[in-house]
Amino acid sequence: EVQLVESGGGLVQPGGSLRLSCAASGFTFSTSWMHWARQAPGKGLEWVADIKQDGGEKHYVDSVKGRFTISRDNAKNSLYLQMDSLRAEDTAVYYCARGNPFGVYWGQGTLVTVSS
Amino acid sequence: QSVLTQAPSASGTPGQRVTISCSGSSSNIGSNTVNWYQQLPGAAPKLLIYNNNQRPSGVPDRFSGSKSGTSASLAISGLHSEDEADYYCAAWDASLNAWVFGGGTKLTVL
Repeated sequence: EVQLVESGGGLVQPGGSLRLSCAASGFTFSTSWMHWARQAPGKGLEWVADIKQDGGEKHYVDSVKGRFTISRDNAKNSLYLQMDSLRAEDTAVYYCARGNPFGVYWGQGTLVTVSS
Repeated sequence: QSVLTQAPSASGTPGQRVTISCSGSSSNIGSNTVNWYQQLPGAAPKLLIYNNNQRPSGVPDRFSGSKSGTSASLAISGLHSEDEADYYCAAWDASLNAWVFGGGTKLTVL
């Protein structure tokens, strides 16, 4: 059974940092593109970033470029999102999702709240 | 303002056929395939359709997708009460180098 379990969310002050993790199981992690997406309270889905199987190619939505970094550890079947310089508008539930195709499996999400 | 445009709401009665549309441009739907996702209240999204018209294993054939030019559609036939959810389209945008979503369509089963 495919499982994606996010962790690391919480309350952080504006300008602060947070590192999200996603533990993957039930599929060959090293052969899958992986993605982060988010959903602000009461709003629609927004794709955040993705990373190629070997970590050699990454893409980001414009609003997080230079602040967020996606990475992966294929030996640990884990996906990460380092979030720096957080803003109030980054408040959302963050989901990790498997690619090939995009979103074939999703985690349950972790809530990030940016507030003073 | 989402890059892909969807009507905010749609409705139908049980057994009816409903269509949800998604409009884009040459840099996204016009040149790449479209995925559709269903999000039930309080749940994570679920992939319904990929590559315009392909269903993942386990998705009923009541759900179908199509694409023409810079627009795409999701059709749900034989509407069930449990189909009441938010539906999102998405595509890769070659100009933005990013995946883009529609704003979502809230489907109400009357």
